[in-house]
Amino acid sequence: GQNIDQPTEMTATEGAIVQINCTYQTSGFNGLFWYQQHAGEAPTFLSYNVLDGLEEKGRFSSFLSRSKGYSYLLLKELQMKDSASYLCAVRDSGAGSYQLTFGKGTKLSVIP
Amino acid sequence: KAGVTQTPRYLIKTRGQQVTLSCSPISGHRSVSWYQQTPGQGLQFLFEYFSETQRNKGNFPGRFSGRQFSNSRSEMNVSTLELGDSALYLCASSAGRVGYEQYFGPGTRLTVT
Repeated sequence: GQNIDQPTEMTATEGAIVQINCTYQTSGFNGLFWYQQHAGEAPTFLSYNVLDGLEEKGRFSSFLSRSKGYSYLLLKELQMKDSASYLCAVRDSGAGSYQLTFGKGTKLSVIP
Repeated sequence: KAGVTQTPRYLIKTRGQQVTLSCSPISGHRSVSWYQQTPGQGLQFLFEYFSETQRNKGNFPGRFSGRQFSNSRSEMNVSTLELGDSALYLCASSAGRVGYEQYFGPGTRLTVT
């Protein structure tokens, strides 16, 4: 089975940098995803890591350490529109499986 | 390219009834997954279909079932509804290959009274 932990809530200031951590314990691993979900909307894909290291995509970066079961999402130059829930999800390693196990999400509030 | 569509968007049912939700994936996507989202449990995996075959099933009772048609459209059914089934049901489609992200539809908000 999978167990994924991430902080419930975080608050950060507009223009600042925030790091959202995610730790996981899994019986199998085949990639880690980050999704953003605004209130009342569907989750949207942000990033995918399957190898150790940092993946950068504009203001968003995601890091993975498989040996530590750890990932983080880094958001730079925060904007008010970044206020949302951020979901960490792990893909099972079963052959042909696209089953994702999600953490409960981190609600980020960006304040002026 | 049109996104993932789900119908209906909102639904109110009575305990004991059954419900069928529909999902149309992005054109060319063969994998469709269903998730239940509640405030307390977050997003939980229900099942995944690929080329009309159920490839994985989450830890939900047999009252939850689904199917996929030859055009990749998918339906999920919940029988004998319980109050605890009130949730947002999200469908996500993917090209089905390793590493390809899932694209979520807007969801169906089901309320059981």
